[in-house]
Amino acid sequence: QVPLQESGPGLVKPSETLSLTCSVSGGSITSYNYYWAWIRQPPGKGLEWIGSVYHGGDSYYSPSLESRVTIFVDTSKNHVSLKLTSVTAADTAVYYCARTTVSKYYSYMDLWGEGATVTVSS
Amino acid sequence: SYEVTQPLSVSVALGQTARITCGGNNIGAKNVHWYQQRPGQVPVLVIYRDKKRPSEIPERFSGSNSGNTATLSISGAQVGDEADYYCQVWDSNTVLFGGGTKLTVL
Repeated sequence: QVPLQESGPGLVKPSETLSLTCSVSGGSITSYNYYWAWIRQPPGKGLEWIGSVYHGGDSYYSPSLESRVTIFVDTSKNHVSLKLTSVTAADTAVYYCARTTVSKYYSYMDLWGEGATVTVSS
Repeated sequence: SYEVTQPLSVSVALGQTARITCGGNNIGAKNVHWYQQRPGQVPVLVIYRDKKRPSEIPERFSGSNSGNTATLSISGAQVGDEADYYCQVWDSNTVLFGGGTKLTVL
């Protein structure tokens, strides 16, 4: 069983909302003292952090995306969801979820999902 | 806002030591993490908190951080080490990635 598995539509129309889910297996998401992050990678480009959230409600978002992003943990389904509104072609990317350690002084991702490819096109 | 910069590419001869740098203003005061992404694959954490190595990562991978430069070193470079490498820091409650460095083993 893959520890982290992203899923969702592979094609989204411009101006609509991109919605992805990351299923966490191997234990209850609330039993982990981790945050859960979404990171994306446009074709041929580098990694871009979208945001990180804790099951207790604490969250951090990229300033450049904060106005369009919501990340939340659904403890009943043991998954983490991403919603990105008003998408454009620039949002076309592989979207990864990742298990994240966060402290006052550092944050890093030690386990990544396989990624979900999302294309924004009419 | 804080920025981290990496060279676009680094080349190393087979069996030699590759050094990939990550620059930033007084980056030595921050914790730097490194990820390896082989072509078509998922990023993998290879160094965290400057110099700590996950258990599954070979000892050939090491990290250092001082002043304005953090460095990922790969000793005894192998063809399988060819990949993009990204440094990453945490600043003002924000995750920042470097632009990535493509390592070529000659």
